[in-house]
Amino acid sequence: SQKIEQNSEALNIQEGKTATLTCNYTNYSPAYLQWYRQDPGRGPVFLLLIRENEKEKRKERLKVTFDTTLKQSLFHITASQPADSATYLCALDGYSSASKIIFGSGTRLSIRP
Amino acid sequence: GAVVSQHPSRVICKSGTSVKIECRSLDFQATTMFWYRQFPKQSLMLMATSNEGSKATYEQGVEKDKFLINHASLTLSTLTVTSAHPEDSSFYICSAKSVLGYNEQFFGPGTRLTVL
Repeated sequence: SQKIEQNSEALNIQEGKTATLTCNYTNYSPAYLQWYRQDPGRGPVFLLLIRENEKEKRKERLKVTFDTTLKQSLFHITASQPADSATYLCALDGYSSASKIIFGSGTRLSIRP
Repeated sequence: GAVVSQHPSRVICKSGTSVKIECRSLDFQATTMFWYRQFPKQSLMLMATSNEGSKATYEQGVEKDKFLINHASLTLSTLTVTSAHPEDSSFYICSAKSVLGYNEQFFGPGTRLTVL
């Protein structure tokens, strides 16, 4: 069956450092891989989407890589700030507008001052 | 950016009553909306896919007679939890995909349901 793993349940790093989160998947060939941020008691907020034919995408301090051979995505937050503390979810999606997104279990990121 | 709203944000009800949760896409049309539930410290679990004008598609293990979904228009989907019980207490989140764009999903803020 399809499976997504975010290998760290929690990650704790010092402010100013780069946070790197990992997402691995099996038994799936996604058209898109997405990253979301979720704060406690809130719905997920879309951050970045990367297509299967893209290797890397950047948005401000965020960078996502997508390796379809390794079936892995890395999510980087550079110059991390305490405000970046949240749970980050990796998600896979297919081609059609009716395809279902499959979510990983999330990584809880804490940035200490 | 695209905005999805949910109402109510929080509801407390007695066991045996029914609760309706609304999900609206405010500034875009969504042919497909999704309903998720999330338990504390767990990821989102897809309950059903809702298509405008047709019956919802439920995930395995989700009782369609208990969780009634109606997608009446391109901007509104509702989830009704019928005869709610304490084990239905959870965080319910809807999302919508725009008919345009890159297939990203936009999520509502969620509804916290507590059944006493």
